[in-house]
Amino acid sequence: NAGVTQTPKFRILKIGQSMTLQCTQDMNHNYMYWYRQDPGMGLKLIYYSVGAGITDKGEVPNGYNVSRSTTEDFPLRLELAAPSQTSVYFCASSWPGSGNTIYFGEGSWLTVV
Amino acid sequence: AQSVTQLDSQVPVFEEAPVELRCNYSSSVSVYLFWYVQYPNQGLQLLLKYLSGSTLVKGINGFEAEFNKSQTSFHLRKPSVHISDTAEYFCAVTAEGQGFSFIFGKGTRLLVKP
Repeated sequence: NAGVTQTPKFRILKIGQSMTLQCTQDMNHNYMYWYRQDPGMGLKLIYYSVGAGITDKGEVPNGYNVSRSTTEDFPLRLELAAPSQTSVYFCASSWPGSGNTIYFGEGSWLTVV
Repeated sequence: AQSVTQLDSQVPVFEEAPVELRCNYSSSVSVYLFWYVQYPNQGLQLLLKYLSGSTLVKGINGFEAEFNKSQTSFHLRKPSVHISDTAEYFCAVTAEGQGFSFIFGKGTRLLVKP
């Protein structure tokens, strides 16, 4: 069982470039999330989705966009990358039926220069 | 709304010594509580969780935690740590019936020294 898969694992972007972080899960979870992790700051929620076609902003949504066209996929789009978006990004999924546990991907390390 | 406070940003401890990582939460409703571990350059994986029932919860790798409702705490313990336990540990809370609103603490770095 693959769980939550994120790509790419590492990426360097120039200021102003755009990119998409891909996330897919094979557990049929309705809930999916994107977090960013900065040193000493824990995890901050960027966007979340409670099902296909439904997304909502988290704590730090500015500079990002998401879509959820299928249950499995939840891509995160960075528009006009800025140095402040240098971070580690985690995709995650959950469902109350799975004991309400949230499952994480391995992370995507993004550097904006 | 819920919140989580991990009282220590870093906990150094010698190998084979006991350790306690502290977590306090606040909530006006019933909660589910979790501890996750993050090894270097990896994602977060579940150590243990409290949903209901016994307040003493046992997890993987010899860790356990106790839910204390009166003190709104969910401290993580291990009686004897190993070098391989060096990692970042995150406490998390979600309200019952709100399965998508996980709140994470800022993490505690456990550093096990030989």
